[in-house]
Amino acid sequence: DGGITQSPKYLFRKEGQNVTLSCEQNLNHDAMYWYRQDPGQGLRLIYYSQIVNDFQKGDIAEGYSVSREKKESFPLTVTSAQKNPTAFYLCASYSGFGYTFGSGTRLTVV
Amino acid sequence: QKEVEQNSGPLSVPEGAIASLNCTYSDRGSQSFFWYRQYSGKSPELIMFIYSNGDKEDGRFTAQLNKASQYVSLLIRDSQPSDSATYLCASQGAGSYQLTFGKGTKLSVIP
Repeated sequence: DGGITQSPKYLFRKEGQNVTLSCEQNLNHDAMYWYRQDPGQGLRLIYYSQIVNDFQKGDIAEGYSVSREKKESFPLTVTSAQKNPTAFYLCASYSGFGYTFGSGTRLTVV
Repeated sequence: QKEVEQNSGPLSVPEGAIASLNCTYSDRGSQSFFWYRQYSGKSPELIMFIYSNGDKEDGRFTAQLNKASQYVSLLIRDSQPSDSATYLCASQGAGSYQLTFGKGTKLSVIP
């Protein structure tokens, strides 16, 4: 089955630690996106990529980094510079009829 | 700044009633519009998209678009408790893959 796989489902980060969220798709989509969702805040765009080896900052890119070395993969690193990383993170790809979303990663700072 | 506005709710309707969810957008260049349903703790799933003025029906769901008024709505007929979720409205600009999302309306269908 085609789709987007995010892992892990739950992730715990200690203060000062970098963590990487995985996003893999087998849909052959060019454009991929990372969103952050906080309660009552809707979806906020972190980074997006429209083609391999190219990506652009979204509205809240500070404290995050991404790479796009392969069409299938778009990992997101939450760095220690992100002071309030606790949130639900969603990866998506553009399907021609809106986005297909992964199942999300819930990140908690401990 | 492109914006999509939704009433956050909660919107409560009795089972079997029609639920009406509304959305306005600021970018007149927006061409396509999407409604996603998101259950608590889950990721959004696409339920409808519309790009022409007028109505589009799919089962119990009807999407309505009025580009002159910059207004999009979603009607859910014969509402069921399983329809209780947050509904996200999104717009897509011309020549862009990127969607702009509203903050969502929480719908509660009361048995």
